[in-house]
Amino acid sequence: RKEVEQDPGPFNVPEGATVAFNCTYSNSASQSFFWYRQDCRKEPKLLMSVYSSGNEDGRFTAQLNRASQYISLLIRDSKLSDSATYLCVVNVRDDKIIFGKGTRLHILP
Amino acid sequence: EPEVTQTPSHQVTQMGQEVILRCVPISNHLYFYWYRQILGQKVEFLVSFYNNEISEKSEIFDDQFSVERPDGSNFTLKIRSTKLEDSAMYFCASSGPSTIGYTFGSGTRLTVV
Repeated sequence: RKEVEQDPGPFNVPEGATVAFNCTYSNSASQSFFWYRQDCRKEPKLLMSVYSSGNEDGRFTAQLNRASQYISLLIRDSKLSDSATYLCVVNVRDDKIIFGKGTRLHILP
Repeated sequence: EPEVTQTPSHQVTQMGQEVILRCVPISNHLYFYWYRQILGQKVEFLVSFYNNEISEKSEIFDDQFSVERPDGSNFTLKIRSTKLEDSAMYFCASSGPSTIGYTFGSGTRLTVV
């Protein structure tokens, strides 16, 4: 099993729709989880942390399922500006985080 | 908002030459990292640095690579003898008490010709 695995997509979604991504991780000792967003040829930028209780930030909701070792990201009422690659990031310990390959999202007008 | 600064934004070098990529992490951060991303591929971990020493490195980070924190503010990545396959975007990141997660610099695009 890969350390962090994501569906690469692309997900082509009409504007206003809801879209969800999942990510699985292999190391059960992983401590922290994040979703990053990366625009073409730019640096990854933190979108949100993921907590066991689930957390929401505006149109974005993140969930963590430790038993099944996956995290999810839900985007509601998608905007054209949401088009990007979404990176699942797992922190194994303080000195190392591992990136998934990313899921490409295209929001269609 | 505090940020991580990287210079140069783009570096072109001939195969076999040495390059130094520079980063200024966020001032009160304690952990520093270098990652690279080959065009079209995933972001790959190279090395982490804590308390003035390497705490972890990947298989990619071989003897051709080294890191330094020469003056308490800069954090550099040196590639001694560049190869064509070193062409990539190199991202510096830092983490610490003032921010959640890892803050990345805008990257240095290294092109080896």
